[in-house]
Amino acid sequence: DARVTQTPRHKVTEMGQEVTMRCQPILGHNTVFWYRQTMMQGLELLAYFRNRAPLDDSGMPKDRFSAEMPDATLATLKIQPSEPRDSAVYFCASGLDRRESNQPQHFGDGTRLSIL
Amino acid sequence: TQLLEQSPQFLSIQEGENLTVYCNSSSVFSSLQWYRQEPGEGPVLLVTVVTGGEVKKLKRLTFQFGDARKDSSLHITAAQPGDTGLYLCAGNRDDKIIFGKGTRLHILP
Repeated sequence: DARVTQTPRHKVTEMGQEVTMRCQPILGHNTVFWYRQTMMQGLELLAYFRNRAPLDDSGMPKDRFSAEMPDATLATLKIQPSEPRDSAVYFCASGLDRRESNQPQHFGDGTRLSIL
Repeated sequence: TQLLEQSPQFLSIQEGENLTVYCNSSSVFSSLQWYRQEPGEGPVLLVTVVTGGEVKKLKRLTFQFGDARKDSSLHITAAQPGDTGLYLCAGNRDDKIIFGKGTRLHILP
């Protein structure tokens, strides 16, 4: 079965360090989503791309977070500088064009990030 | 304010019992999806409902979309330990997908 692949699975680092999370979407999918999940807030949408173009990053703190898709097989989410409040599980999901509202999103297994 | 409210937040019941969990909103959604998430994994889509009043069955799971497309329910018949997990609903509105915080379900053997 095709899967969304996220790396690393776990990351522990000190505050102030740069963190880069990577996602390989399912081949052929043209939408990519980044989410953050915490116990308090649940699953929050940070950014999404369609055909590699950023369409919505209103959920993302712009001063320290950035999301890019250098090519169709790679999406990145960077945090610089990282802070303890960024500790969470970050999920990437891919899908087909979301303008058809019933298209499912396929999630990776997440990156568990801990900022000390 | 949470756009999609899921209830209950936590539910622990014995194997073989029936249960219903809810996803409610004051907003109308063009479609609504239910996902199940297990520890250490990402959410996995169970079903999408699109039409008001729609009912879909997936083995022992029955999903219903409210007539006004503002709410949904998930009913599980004869729950099994394999049903344990976090159940998330997600609504599509104005080209955005919004997730509820989920119901954490634990089925005791």
